[in-house]
Amino acid sequence: GDSVTQMEGPVTLSEEAFLTINCTYTATGYPSLFWYVQYPGEGLQLLLKATKADDKGSNKGFEATYRKETTSFHLEKGSVQVSDSAVYFCALKNGGFKTIFGAGTRLFVKA
Amino acid sequence: EAGVAQSPRYKIIEKRQSVAFWCNPISGHATLYWYQQILGQGPKLLIQFQNNGVVDDSQLPKDRFSAERLKGVDSTLKIQPAKLEDSAVYLCASSSQRPSQGQMNTEAFFGQGTRLTVV
Repeated sequence: GDSVTQMEGPVTLSEEAFLTINCTYTATGYPSLFWYVQYPGEGLQLLLKATKADDKGSNKGFEATYRKETTSFHLEKGSVQVSDSAVYFCALKNGGFKTIFGAGTRLFVKA
Repeated sequence: EAGVAQSPRYKIIEKRQSVAFWCNPISGHATLYWYQQILGQGPKLLIQFQNNGVVDDSQLPKDRFSAERLKGVDSTLKIQPAKLEDSAVYLCASSSQRPSQGQMNTEAFFGQGTRLTVV
C-alpha cells in the first residue's frame, strides 16, 4: 500500500541555518503531496502542497518540489527562525482516499 | 471562514469508562475524517465519511469504537470501554473533495484535537 517515510528527528539547528527534512513516498498513480506542521498543543496545519510532478509548493519561506523520478518531496528553508520549532509531517493523498502521514520530524531551533 | 471545531480539548477518564468526542467540520465540506495520533507518531486514520456514509473504517477497532455523522454535518466518535492504549490525541479533519466532480486529492483541514488520557 501507499506509504510515506521521512527522516527521523529531532533536528536541532541554530537560528538562520539551512533546513532540509527528507521525505520519500511509495504510491501507485499520481498522489498529491503535502507538508503539515504541528506546533505544541495545536492541531495540524497545512504548510504547503504539490499536486503533480515537478510542482513546487511554497509558503512562509518553506519549499518542497514533487520529484516523481526519485519519489521524493523534501522540505527546505534557507534560514530558520526560533518560531519554526515544531513537528513537520510529510503526507500524501491518492485517489481521493485518506491522507497518509509520515512519522513526523521534530525541529528545534536555538536562538 | 471558521475552521474545524472539536470538543472537548482535554479529557481524562479511567479505563473501562466511556467517552465521546464531537466535531463540526468546515461548512460545505463533504468529507470528514477521524484520526488517532499517539504521542511521537503520525496521525492514523480511524474512519472517513463522505457526507453521512462511511468510506473507510478498516482501522477502527469496532469492538470499542463507534462513530456517526448524522445529516452529513457534525460527527461524534465514541469509545466504550476505554483502554489504557487509547490514550492519544483524536483529530477531526474535513475536506471539500467531491469525487463525482473530479475533485479528488484536496487537502484536509484539521481541528485542534482532543487529548485523551486513560488512567
